[in-house]
This record gives sequence, structure tokens and C-alpha cells, in this order.
Amino acid sequence: DAGVIQSPRHEVTEMGQEVTLRCKPISGHNSLFWYRQTMMRGLELLIYFNNNVPIDDSGMPEDRFSAKMPNASFSTLKIQPSEPRDSAVYFCASSSHPGDGYTFGSGTRLTVV
Amino acid sequence: QQPVQSPQAVILREGEDAVINCSSSKALYSVHWYRQKHGEAPVFLMILLKGGEQKGHDKISASFNEKKQQSSLYLTASQLSYSGTYFCGTASGSARQLTFGSGTQLTVLP
Repeated sequence: DAGVIQSPRHEVTEMGQEVTLRCKPISGHNSLFWYRQTMMRGLELLIYFNNNVPIDDSGMPEDRFSAKMPNASFSTLKIQPSEPRDSAVYFCASSSHPGDGYTFGSGTRLTVV
Repeated sequence: QQPVQSPQAVILREGEDAVINCSSSKALYSVHWYRQKHGEAPVFLMILLKGGEQKGHDKISASFNEKKQQSSLYLTASQLSYSGTYFCGTASGSARQLTFGSGTQLTVLP
């Protein structure tokens, strides 16, 4: 099993540009989570999908952020327009059941200049 | 609301023991423990469900006191490989998504 796959690993973009982060969960995992990690705020939940349906998006900072899960094997997190304060490591995680342990992807380190 | 972890940091010598605590103001359904090494993703260690159970994983074990809404992670006879940041994640009520604590940085010295 290849685990949770995220791309790109690193992204450097200019303020105002659109950024799209991608995630492929483990096959058979029904729950998918997007987290953001910064030194100041730690690990923050952005959005949680169960069976491809968004269940909790209360952590999405503002309308600049959007997430989709068109099928069980793919999810995207989009930021448009990006701002320097969006700089962070974005993790995608999946689990076979909402209450099971999470498997995290390697993360995308986003730098907005 | 974010669970509170203590201590924030701990330094040990190889072979020593450590305890990391996690407490919540909410009634907990479950507590997860993860370890993250620098520049890497968090790795799942164990999950404890309400009921006051205790679990073990090699020389790492944990307990969950449902009444006090607290969990503790016990690391015995620590090894160099135990170094990293430990996070507890909690789920409350009917929600199953985790809210993570701010982490405890553990350093094991030779």
C-alpha cells in the first residue's frame, strides 16, 4: 500500500495566485481530512469528508479556501487568491472509519511570497 | 476546543521514563496519540475509546480516564527513536474528527 499520497511536496507561489493541493487517500478508506500545521496554531482541521461528502468544513478559514472530493480516490484543496498568511504545511489524512486511526500523507509545504 | 497537553517539552536520557498528559474540557468519545518527527508527517500510535481502557504498544502505553476527560501516554525505558513531538487528538460527542493538542516535544539523549 502506497499510503496517502499528496502532491506537490513543496509549492512556492506569489500572493494572489491560485494554489491547488491534491490528495489520494488509501484505497478503502471512507474518511478524509485536511489539516494545516503552523508553529503558531499547531494542527488545525480544515475540512472532513465521509464517503466523499463534506461533513464538517467549519475550519475552512474563509471563502478563499475550497475543497472537493469528486470520488473516493481523490480530493483537492484550493486557495484562491493565496496570501502570505496561508503559508503552512497542509496534511491530508484518511481513515477506514471516522473513529479509526488516521494515516497522514507526507504533506505539502506551501510558501506564499 | 483544543485539548491541553503537558508538559510542553521534556528531555530524557536513554532508558528513562516519561509521561505525557492530555486533558479536555469536553466529554470525550476517544483519544488518539500520534508521534511526529521533524519534517515528517504524524504517525498513529494508538487509540483509546471511552470506557477507561488502557493500551500498550511495545514500551509505550496509554490510559484514558473518561470521568476526568484525561489521557496519559507512558513511555518506559525510552530509546533514541522515541524522540519527536507527541500529539493527542480528541473526538467529542457524536463528532469523530479529531482536534489536536499543541504537542509535547520529547528529546531522548544518549
